[in-house]
Amino acid sequence: AQSVTQPDIHITVSEGASLELRCNYSYGATPYLFWYVQSPGQGLQLLLKYFSGDTLVQGIKGFEAEFKRSQSSFNLRKPSVHWSDAAEYFCVGRTGFQKLVFGTGTRLLVSP
Amino acid sequence: NAGVTQTPKFRILKIGQSMTLQCTQDMNHNYMYWYRQDPGMGLKLIYYSVGAGITDKGEVPNGYNVSRSTTEDFPLRLELAAPSQTSVYFCASTPPLPGGGNTEAFFGQGTRLTVV
Repeated sequence: AQSVTQPDIHITVSEGASLELRCNYSYGATPYLFWYVQSPGQGLQLLLKYFSGDTLVQGIKGFEAEFKRSQSSFNLRKPSVHWSDAAEYFCVGRTGFQKLVFGTGTRLLVSP
Repeated sequence: NAGVTQTPKFRILKIGQSMTLQCTQDMNHNYMYWYRQDPGMGLKLIYYSVGAGITDKGEVPNGYNVSRSTTEDFPLRLELAAPSQTSVYFCASTPPLPGGGNTEAFFGQGTRLTVV
């Protein structure tokens, strides 16, 4: 069955440090992949998406993600984290006519 | 375009009451979804629809019903509210695939429901 796995439930990063959030997918075919961010009490905002072509995808707010077929991964990165990046991050997959599949989310905490 | 609109934003229900959460989208998306998000948790799929007249159960459908009579609307019905249904509910829609670059889901702002 299709699945998206985010191995880290919580991550704490110091402000100004780099960030990498992990996402692994399990699909029969290459899925469309997305990263969404949810700030406390808010809805979901799309950070970036991958559907074909270049494996390094640029998103909003300085985020990027790299699609690695050999590792079935789509990790989210940011070179320098800001306190305002503290939020819940969701990796989401979709293929063909299939419904969306959410990862369980990673809560990012930013320490001063 | 308004995108995905959910109403109401907040609601308090008493146990045993019923209500309908409304969701409408103006992007002509054929796929629509209802999710619930419990405090500190991820999103769980309640029901989804691949087009008007077609609905299917997700992970947690018990206690809910849906209908899809038009492309635009996908209401979620709670018949006998229970405290376990206290949650934040999100409606979403997606375009069909392949859609070129337009493949992502668009979400409503959520409905915060409390059952007391």
